[in-house]
Amino acid sequence: DTGVSQNPRHKITKRGQNVTFRCDPISEHNRLYWYRQTLGQGPEFLTYFQNEAQLEKSRLLSDRFSAERPKGSFSTLEIQRTEQGDSAMYLCASSSPGGQDSYNEQFFGPGTRLTVL
Amino acid sequence: EDQVTQSPEALRLQEGESSSLNCSYTVSGLRGLFWYRQDPGKGPEFLFTLYSAGEEKEKERLKATLTKKESFLHITAPKPEDSATYLCAVHRPERTGRRALTFGSGTRLQVQP
Repeated sequence: DTGVSQNPRHKITKRGQNVTFRCDPISEHNRLYWYRQTLGQGPEFLTYFQNEAQLEKSRLLSDRFSAERPKGSFSTLEIQRTEQGDSAMYLCASSSPGGQDSYNEQFFGPGTRLTVL
Repeated sequence: EDQVTQSPEALRLQEGESSSLNCSYTVSGLRGLFWYRQDPGKGPEFLFTLYSAGEEKEKERLKATLTKKESFLHITAPKPEDSATYLCAVHRPERTGRRALTFGSGTRLQVQP
Protein backbone atom coordinates (compact mmCIF):
# COMPACT_ATOMS: atom_id res chain seq x y z
CA ASP A 1 0.00 0.00 0.00
CA THR A 2 1.50 3.31 -1.07
CA GLY A 3 -0.83 5.60 0.87
CA VAL A 4 -0.22 7.60 4.05
CA SER A 5 0.15 5.37 7.09
CA GLN A 6 -0.24 6.26 10.76
CA ASN A 7 0.60 4.40 13.94
CA PRO A 8 -0.85 3.55 16.29
CA ARG A 9 -4.43 3.54 15.06
CA HIS A 10 -5.79 3.82 18.57
CA LYS A 11 -4.26 5.10 21.80
CA ILE A 12 -5.82 5.20 25.23
CA THR A 13 -3.90 7.05 27.90
CA LYS A 14 -4.40 8.57 31.32
CA ARG A 15 -4.46 12.29 31.87
CA GLY A 16 -0.99 13.65 32.41
CA GLN A 17 0.82 11.02 30.36
CA ASN A 18 2.84 11.75 27.21
CA VAL A 19 1.92 10.19 23.87
CA THR A 20 3.66 10.07 20.50
CA PHE A 21 2.15 9.34 17.10
CA ARG A 22 3.93 8.50 13.88
CA CYS A 23 3.06 9.34 10.28
CA ASP A 24 4.67 7.90 7.15
CA PRO A 25 3.71 9.98 4.11
CA ILE A 26 3.46 8.89 0.49
CA SER A 27 7.07 8.32 -0.48
CA GLU A 28 7.45 11.00 -3.15
CA HIS A 29 5.61 13.67 -1.16
CA ASN A 30 7.77 16.33 0.47
CA ARG A 31 4.93 18.15 2.24
CA LEU A 32 3.39 16.77 5.41
CA TYR A 33 0.50 18.10 7.53
CA TRP A 34 -1.06 17.31 10.88
CA TYR A 35 -4.74 17.93 11.61
CA ARG A 36 -7.00 17.23 14.56
CA GLN A 37 -10.63 16.17 14.19
CA THR A 38 -13.27 15.93 16.90
CA LEU A 39 -16.60 14.17 16.55
CA GLY A 40 -18.98 15.88 14.14
CA GLN A 41 -16.43 18.47 13.03
CA GLY A 42 -14.12 18.82 10.09
CA PRO A 43 -10.35 18.49 10.51
CA GLU A 44 -8.50 21.48 12.03
CA PHE A 45 -5.01 22.34 10.84
CA LEU A 46 -2.18 21.94 13.36
CA THR A 47 1.12 22.17 11.53
CA TYR A 48 2.91 21.78 8.19
CA PHE A 49 6.34 20.55 7.12
CA GLN A 50 8.13 20.98 3.85
CA ASN A 51 10.89 18.39 3.87
CA GLU A 52 12.32 18.62 7.40
CA ALA A 53 11.39 22.27 7.98
CA GLN A 54 8.32 23.08 10.05
CA LEU A 55 6.95 26.08 8.16
CA GLU A 56 3.55 26.66 9.75
CA LYS A 57 2.01 26.16 13.17
CA SER A 58 -1.60 26.81 14.15
CA ARG A 59 -2.51 28.60 17.36
CA LEU A 60 -4.14 25.26 18.26
CA LEU A 61 -0.67 23.80 18.66
CA SER A 62 -0.05 24.63 22.31
CA ASP A 63 3.30 24.32 24.08
CA ARG A 64 2.39 20.77 25.06
CA PHE A 65 2.41 19.73 21.40
CA SER A 66 5.57 19.20 19.38
CA ALA A 67 6.03 17.82 15.91
CA GLU A 68 9.19 16.72 14.13
CA ARG A 69 10.21 15.45 10.75
CA PRO A 70 13.95 14.90 11.25
CA LYS A 71 14.93 13.46 7.88
CA GLY A 72 12.15 14.82 5.75
CA SER A 73 10.42 11.44 5.62
CA PHE A 74 8.27 10.24 8.54
CA SER A 75 6.96 12.64 11.17
CA THR A 76 6.09 12.35 14.84
CA LEU A 77 3.57 14.32 16.88
CA GLU A 78 4.07 14.31 20.64
CA ILE A 79 1.58 15.53 23.21
CA GLN A 80 2.95 16.08 26.69
CA ARG A 81 0.86 16.06 29.87
CA THR A 82 -2.26 15.01 28.03
CA GLU A 83 -5.61 16.50 28.98
CA GLN A 84 -9.10 15.14 28.39
CA GLY A 85 -9.64 17.89 25.83
CA ASP A 86 -6.89 16.35 23.71
CA SER A 87 -9.15 13.39 22.92
CA ALA A 88 -9.64 13.47 19.16
CA MET A 89 -8.63 11.86 15.89
CA TYR A 90 -5.18 13.02 14.80
CA LEU A 91 -4.83 12.97 11.04
CA CYS A 92 -1.73 13.19 8.93
CA ALA A 93 -1.74 14.19 5.27
CA SER A 94 0.89 14.59 2.59
CA SER A 95 1.10 16.31 -0.76
CA SER A 96 3.53 16.46 -3.64
CA PRO A 97 5.40 19.59 -4.68
CA GLY A 98 3.58 19.41 -8.10
CA GLY A 99 2.40 22.17 -10.38
CA GLN A 100 -0.87 24.04 -10.73
CA ASP A 101 -3.03 20.99 -11.35
CA SER A 102 -1.94 19.30 -8.13
CA TYR A 103 -1.55 22.35 -5.96
CA ASN A 104 -2.09 21.52 -2.31
CA GLU A 105 -4.08 18.36 -2.90
CA GLN A 106 -3.60 16.68 0.44
CA PHE A 107 -3.95 12.91 0.86
CA PHE A 108 -4.88 11.75 4.33
CA GLY A 109 -3.91 8.75 6.40
CA PRO A 110 -6.36 6.68 8.48
CA GLY A 111 -5.72 8.70 11.63
CA THR A 112 -4.83 7.92 15.23
CA ARG A 113 -7.76 7.95 17.63
CA LEU A 114 -6.62 9.32 21.03
CA THR A 115 -8.70 8.82 24.15
CA VAL A 116 -7.53 10.54 27.34
CA LEU A 117 -9.11 9.15 30.49
CA GLU B 1 -12.79 34.95 10.35
CA ASP B 2 -13.07 32.57 7.44
CA GLN B 3 -16.32 30.65 7.38
CA VAL B 4 -17.03 27.43 5.56
CA THR B 5 -20.61 26.29 6.00
CA GLN B 6 -21.98 23.03 4.70
CA SER B 7 -25.65 22.20 4.34
CA PRO B 8 -27.56 20.19 5.11
CA GLU B 9 -25.84 18.68 8.15
CA ALA B 10 -27.43 15.34 7.34
CA LEU B 11 -29.25 13.97 4.33
CA ARG B 12 -31.08 10.72 3.86
CA LEU B 13 -31.84 9.61 0.30
CA GLN B 14 -33.40 6.61 -1.31
CA GLU B 15 -31.21 4.73 -3.76
CA GLY B 16 -31.49 6.48 -7.12
CA GLU B 17 -32.76 9.75 -5.63
CA SER B 18 -30.46 12.51 -6.90
CA SER B 19 -29.61 15.51 -4.72
CA SER B 20 -27.03 18.22 -4.05
CA LEU B 21 -24.85 19.16 -1.11
CA ASN B 22 -23.87 22.78 -0.55
CA CYS B 23 -20.66 24.39 0.65
CA SER B 24 -20.71 28.15 1.10
CA TYR B 25 -17.70 30.25 2.04
CA THR B 26 -17.24 33.81 3.17
CA VAL B 27 -13.65 34.30 2.19
CA SER B 28 -12.00 36.32 -0.50
CA GLY B 29 -8.82 35.45 -2.26
CA LEU B 30 -9.79 31.81 -2.57
CA ARG B 31 -6.98 29.71 -4.00
CA GLY B 32 -8.85 26.44 -4.19
CA LEU B 33 -11.88 24.54 -2.93
CA PHE B 34 -11.58 20.86 -2.14
CA TRP B 35 -14.12 18.08 -1.65
CA TYR B 36 -13.36 15.00 0.43
CA ARG B 37 -15.32 11.91 1.38
CA GLN B 38 -14.89 10.43 4.86
CA ASP B 39 -16.11 7.03 6.00
CA PRO B 40 -16.58 6.41 9.74
CA GLY B 41 -13.28 5.86 11.55
CA LYS B 42 -11.19 6.64 8.47
CA GLY B 43 -9.28 9.59 7.11
CA PRO B 44 -10.76 11.86 4.43
CA GLU B 45 -10.46 10.62 0.86
CA PHE B 46 -9.70 13.27 -1.78
CA LEU B 47 -12.39 13.75 -4.45
CA PHE B 48 -12.03 17.07 -6.31
CA THR B 49 -10.21 20.38 -6.48
CA LEU B 50 -11.89 23.46 -7.99
CA TYR B 51 -9.96 26.65 -8.63
CA SER B 52 -12.22 29.14 -10.38
CA ALA B 53 -15.90 30.07 -10.68
CA GLY B 54 -17.63 28.10 -13.40
CA GLU B 55 -15.34 25.12 -13.08
CA GLU B 56 -16.91 21.65 -12.92
CA LYS B 57 -15.43 18.22 -12.25
CA GLU B 58 -17.00 14.78 -12.36
CA LYS B 59 -16.23 11.37 -10.96
CA GLU B 60 -18.68 8.51 -11.38
CA ARG B 61 -21.97 9.67 -9.80
CA LEU B 62 -20.46 12.86 -8.35
CA LYS B 63 -20.14 16.27 -9.95
CA ALA B 64 -18.68 19.31 -8.21
CA THR B 65 -19.33 22.89 -9.31
CA LEU B 66 -18.02 26.23 -8.06
CA THR B 67 -19.40 29.78 -8.02
CA LYS B 68 -17.92 32.87 -6.40
CA LYS B 69 -19.71 32.16 -3.13
CA GLU B 70 -20.42 28.45 -2.98
CA SER B 71 -19.80 24.99 -4.31
CA PHE B 72 -22.23 22.19 -4.93
CA LEU B 73 -21.62 18.46 -4.91
CA HIS B 74 -24.28 16.86 -7.08
CA ILE B 75 -24.96 13.17 -6.55
CA THR B 76 -26.78 11.47 -9.41
CA ALA B 77 -28.67 8.21 -8.79
CA PRO B 78 -26.79 7.48 -5.54
CA LYS B 79 -26.12 3.98 -4.28
CA PRO B 80 -25.83 2.78 -0.67
CA GLU B 81 -22.03 2.73 -1.03
CA ASP B 82 -22.12 6.51 -1.48
CA SER B 83 -23.12 6.81 2.18
CA ALA B 84 -20.41 8.83 3.95
CA THR B 85 -19.63 12.28 5.29
CA TYR B 86 -18.70 14.74 2.56
CA LEU B 87 -16.34 17.52 3.60
CA CYS B 88 -15.41 20.66 1.75
CA ALA B 89 -12.34 22.75 2.49
CA VAL B 90 -10.93 26.04 1.25
CA HIS B 91 -7.38 27.19 0.80
CA ARG B 92 -6.70 30.86 1.39
CA PRO B 93 -3.02 31.25 2.00
CA GLU B 94 -3.00 34.96 2.74
CA ARG B 95 -5.33 34.42 5.68
CA THR B 96 -4.76 30.98 7.10
CA GLY B 97 -1.26 30.15 6.03
CA ARG B 98 0.36 28.93 2.89
CA ARG B 99 -0.74 25.33 3.16
CA ALA B 100 -3.54 25.11 5.73
CA LEU B 101 -6.97 23.98 4.63
CA THR B 102 -10.07 25.25 6.44
CA PHE B 103 -12.76 22.56 6.56
CA GLY B 104 -16.50 22.72 6.98
CA SER B 105 -18.28 20.40 9.41
CA GLY B 106 -19.46 18.11 6.63
CA THR B 107 -22.71 16.64 5.36
CA ARG B 108 -23.56 13.13 6.56
CA LEU B 109 -25.17 11.32 3.66
CA GLN B 110 -27.11 8.11 4.08
CA VAL B 111 -28.43 6.31 1.00
CA GLN B 112 -30.99 3.66 1.72
CA PRO B 113 -31.56 0.67 -0.62
